[in-house]
Amino acid sequence: AQSVSQHNHHVILSEAASLELGCNYSYGGTVNLFWYVQYPGQHLQLLLKYFSGDPLVKGIKGFEAEFIKSKFSFNLRKPSVQWSDTAEYFCAVNGNNNDMRFGAGTRLTVKP
Amino acid sequence: DTAVSQTPKYLVTQMGNDKSIKCEQNLGHDTMYWYKQDSKKFLKIMFSYNNKELIINETVPNRFSPKSPDKAHLNLHINSLELGDSAVYFCASRPLSGQETQYFGPGTRLLVL
Repeated sequence: AQSVSQHNHHVILSEAASLELGCNYSYGGTVNLFWYVQYPGQHLQLLLKYFSGDPLVKGIKGFEAEFIKSKFSFNLRKPSVQWSDTAEYFCAVNGNNNDMRFGAGTRLTVKP
Repeated sequence: DTAVSQTPKYLVTQMGNDKSIKCEQNLGHDTMYWYKQDSKKFLKIMFSYNNKELIINETVPNRFSPKSPDKAHLNLHINSLELGDSAVYFCASRPLSGQETQYFGPGTRLLVL
């Protein structure tokens, strides 16, 4: 069965610091990969997605993620975080069985 | 226009009650899902409906029953509510095939007292 691991449960950064959130998955077949964000009190929103092609994908609000197939990883990055990036971030994997699996989430707190 | 909508947004109820949460999508998608997000923010898939057929049923208590009157709706009925059912429930939808992502509803915050 496919699974998703997010290694960091809570990350605390100061504004302008660089961000990298880890995501690893286990699945033997072709996967689609996603990062979702949930701002406080709001619903999930798609940050970016990878289906095929360039393994470095760019999303909204300056986020990007790199798919490294050999490492089964899809880490999320942002060069310089802002206070408004404080949120919960979820990595998700969708295999060809149409089943979407989410990681446990990483809470990001950005201090002004 | 809201693509995936859920009602109610908030639901506070007593233990033992029966309640329903409604979900509607106007995207013409074939598959709809219910997720539960617990107090630790962990998202867990509960059910998936494809053209009115249940195709994923995770190990959730049988007090939870999804009901899909048509392709655009997937309601979640919960019998004999328990304290541990308190969570945020998210509905989502996606096309049957292809590489489309899921579109999530705003969530329903359920609090069982």
